[in-house]
Amino acid sequence: EIVMTQSPATLSVSPGERATLSCRASQSVSSNLAWYQQKPGQAPRLLIYGASTRATGIPARFSGSGSGTEFTLTISSLQSEDFAVYYCQQYNNWPPGYTFGLGTKLEIK
Amino acid sequence: EVQLVESGGGLVQPGGSLRLSCAASGFTFSSYEMTWVRQAPGKGLEWVSYISSSGHTIYYADSVKGRFTISRDNAKNSLYLQMNSLRAEDTAVYYCARLGGYCTSTSCYYYFDYWGQGTLVTVSS
Repeated sequence: EIVMTQSPATLSVSPGERATLSCRASQSVSSNLAWYQQKPGQAPRLLIYGASTRATGIPARFSGSGSGTEFTLTISSLQSEDFAVYYCQQYNNWPPGYTFGLGTKLEIK
Repeated sequence: EVQLVESGGGLVQPGGSLRLSCAASGFTFSSYEMTWVRQAPGKGLEWVSYISSSGHTIYYADSVKGRFTISRDNAKNSLYLQMNSLRAEDTAVYYCARLGGYCTSTSCYYYFDYWGQGTLVTVSS
């Protein structure tokens, strides 16, 4: 099973600043990597797929990069609504199953 | 607008059963693979099960294999998860999600592009 490791577990950033979240796969997942945002009490929302393609309706301040085993989600200028938990997920090793990282909580500094 | 609405969650005793439903609208349900994902309280996301658009191909996570059964009714635009022999560790919010992605000649690569709001399953005596 591919293990997805996200860092840091918690990131404190001020509104208007840039946030950089990392995700590492235990083996190559090519570009088959997605990022999701989850706010308290809500379902996850797809932000990025294919490592770098924004999903429908996602603002341009969200960008993804990387391939193979190292991936990054960057939020260029944090808005109040961006403070949430972010999960990465690989979908390269399918079947047998999809695997998620444990998440990065982005909090207001 | 794509909508997925789960129902059927609740409190059940260990060893009991529950059937979750997911009503889909706003897209051609019969053309999409679907999946269930769960999230234990305060924890991360765990994939549970997958079903192909026709219903002919099904996969389960090892943690639920032999106890859970995924199914769909394309005529009713509905996805189901029959959960038997429930354990305390099955306590979670269960989400249904639509799969987006692509296939090559040898494999398919799917991410979860739309999610329902979730339904809470609590297994406790």
